[in-house]
Amino acid sequence: AQTVTQSQPEMSVQEAETVTLSCTYDTSESDYYLFWYKQPPSRQMILVIRQEAYKQQNATENRFSVNFQKAAKSFSLKISDSQLGDAAMYFCAYTQGGKLIFGQGTELSVKP
Amino acid sequence: DTEVTQTPKHLVMGMTNKKSLKCEQHMGHRAMYWYKQKAKKPPELMFVYSYEKLSINESVPSRFSPECPNSSLLNLHLHALQPEDSALYLCASSQEGPWANVLTFGAGSRLTVL
Repeated sequence: AQTVTQSQPEMSVQEAETVTLSCTYDTSESDYYLFWYKQPPSRQMILVIRQEAYKQQNATENRFSVNFQKAAKSFSLKISDSQLGDAAMYFCAYTQGGKLIFGQGTELSVKP
Repeated sequence: DTEVTQTPKHLVMGMTNKKSLKCEQHMGHRAMYWYKQKAKKPPELMFVYSYEKLSINESVPSRFSPECPNSSLLNLHLHALQPEDSALYLCASSQEGPWANVLTFGAGSRLTVL
């Protein structure tokens, strides 16, 4: 079964600091995609970052970067220089065969 | 246009009512999705349409009936719902090819069943 595990239900970070959200997944496939989606209280799910499994280089989008460890099936998200607008539920997701499988989410709060 | 638009934003219905949720996108995406999301939980896939044909039905009860009249429009018809069906219903769409797995989501329709 395809599973995605986010072991931190809640996390908190001080504004301007760095925080890392963890994610592990389980798959027997060699070709797949990994994502981090953000869902603020406004509830619209927004893509934060995307990683193709065949690429060794870690994806980066401005203040957001990932640490992709394929052998360990780990896909953590690092948010640098945290801003108040980063407060949201963050979902790690895995896809293969047309289905997007979400983890349980990590609720991130940002303290001013 | 880079948006997925969902209407209505909020819907309250009784268990005997018939209502519909609507989703629209004009990005040329050929895959469209319905997800159900409970509070503080991840979205759960309900249906996937690809090229206007139903390709995935995640064993959803028949009181939910999807419809894809054209490549830009996706409906979810609701009938005889139960209070436990109260949730946020998210629509999403995606391109084909390498970007097929990147979903663009709408803001959702908050459904309350009394």
